Amino acid sequence: DTGVSQDPRHKITKRGQNVTFRCDPISEHNRLYWYRQTLGQGPEFLTYFQNEAQLEKSRLLSDRFSAERPKGSFSTLEIQRTEQGDSAMYLCASSYLQGHTEAFFGQGTRLTVV
Amino acid sequence: GENVEQHPSTLSVQEGDSAVIKCTYSDSASNYFPWYKQELGKGPQLIIDIRSNVGEKKDQRIAVTLNKTAKHFSLHITETQPEDSAVYFCAASIRGTDKLIFGTGTRLQVFP
Repeated sequence: DTGVSQDPRHKITKRGQNVTFRCDPISEHNRLYWYRQTLGQGPEFLTYFQNEAQLEKSRLLSDRFSAERPKGSFSTLEIQRTEQGDSAMYLCASSYLQGHTEAFFGQGTRLTVV
Repeated sequence: GENVEQHPSTLSVQEGDSAVIKCTYSDSASNYFPWYKQELGKGPQLIIDIRSNVGEKKDQRIAVTLNKTAKHFSLHITETQPEDSAVYFCAASIRGTDKLIFGTGTRLQVFP
């Protein structure tokens, strides 16, 4: 297992277009998290899944954002009608339930909305 | 909700010197405090963590201390090397959610 994998690494899109990102967590990890990081800031929590159930969503996750984790494996994050303010690094992390709290991050997807 | 403050925002040290980064948190229910190192263009990498039932933890050149009463925790790097240069983030989380609340980061530069 090579860790958390995110695809694509970079995405440039025009304002108003839809984009979808994928995250493949570490295989035995039940929890999967999405964070957003803007330049010069720490990552901000967006949402997280325990297996296939989405347990919490941040206020940062507007109606244009949707995340899924079918079958409790990989996850997708879709942004509809992108805006320039959506430009950021989108980070995925995973952790193992049952007492283990260490979260391991992927390399992120850098989104640029032009 | 939880709020994490981190200082300093930038830190420059000579190779071989020690570096200390400090964080404070607001929610007394927070019980897990990891530190991440982030290099340019990469995701954060977990380097050390501490839980609320422990006051100090050490791993080679890196140590973390936690003062629950004062609600602050610190990262100590000894014998710094140029490859330690990166942005370091502290974070806090509450048992149950495990979502992390991050500080604003410290850019550490180690000069040879």
